[in-house]
Amino acid sequence: QVQLVQSGAEVKKPGASVKVSCKASGYTFTSYDINWVRQATGQGLEWMGWMNPNSGNTGYAQKFQGRVTMTRNTSISTAYMELSSLRSEDTAVYYCARENIPHSGYGLFDPWGQGTLVTVSS
Amino acid sequence: DIQMTQSPSSLSASVGDRVTITCRASQSISSYLNWYQQKPGKAPKLLIYAASSLQSGVPSRFSGSGSGTDFTLTISSLQPEDFATYYCQQSYSTPRTFGQGTRLEIK
Repeated sequence: QVQLVQSGAEVKKPGASVKVSCKASGYTFTSYDINWVRQATGQGLEWMGWMNPNSGNTGYAQKFQGRVTMTRNTSISTAYMELSSLRSEDTAVYYCARENIPHSGYGLFDPWGQGTLVTVSS
Repeated sequence: DIQMTQSPSSLSASVGDRVTITCRASQSISSYLNWYQQKPGKAPKLLIYAASSLQSGVPSRFSGSGSGTDFTLTISSLQPEDFATYYCQQSYSTPRTFGQGTRLEIK
């Protein structure tokens, strides 16, 4: 079955960077865009950006421009999201989510990874 | 950015009730509106896409309607497993944006 499995929880100090991985299985990794969405504790969902695993092309939300980098390793069907210059407000669960329709850019997210808690604290 | 506003923010209902959640977009998004269900400690799950299309495997008691700026998610007869938080999301343009969520609680 289609599955996205994310890396484990991270604790980082303010100013540091974090890199979260998302390993895909059950489908052709390069055929579907990967999106990243985060959720602060008790809060709503916030879209961060997308990546085309075939071309490596990316698109980021303005809010994260300059701080976020989305990459992939096609040989191991894994997508990565790196967020730099971390601050306390970045404490959240970070999800990867596959685009539901191949290379459509439709913005429909299914399935999702299980989430990775990133805690930023001094 | 397109703002999505859900109402109500929370809702108490009983098993068997019919429930409607509303989502309003700050500008027309045609039918580019999706609904997700999220249970505590879990990732969101896609329920409805393109405003009214039921995702495979989702029970038929869930339905969606609307176009333009006003949309609704209806659960025809609440089941115990439906108590969760529901989010609408627009896929008309980037950045993709979500409503603030509607928490559905047991009365």
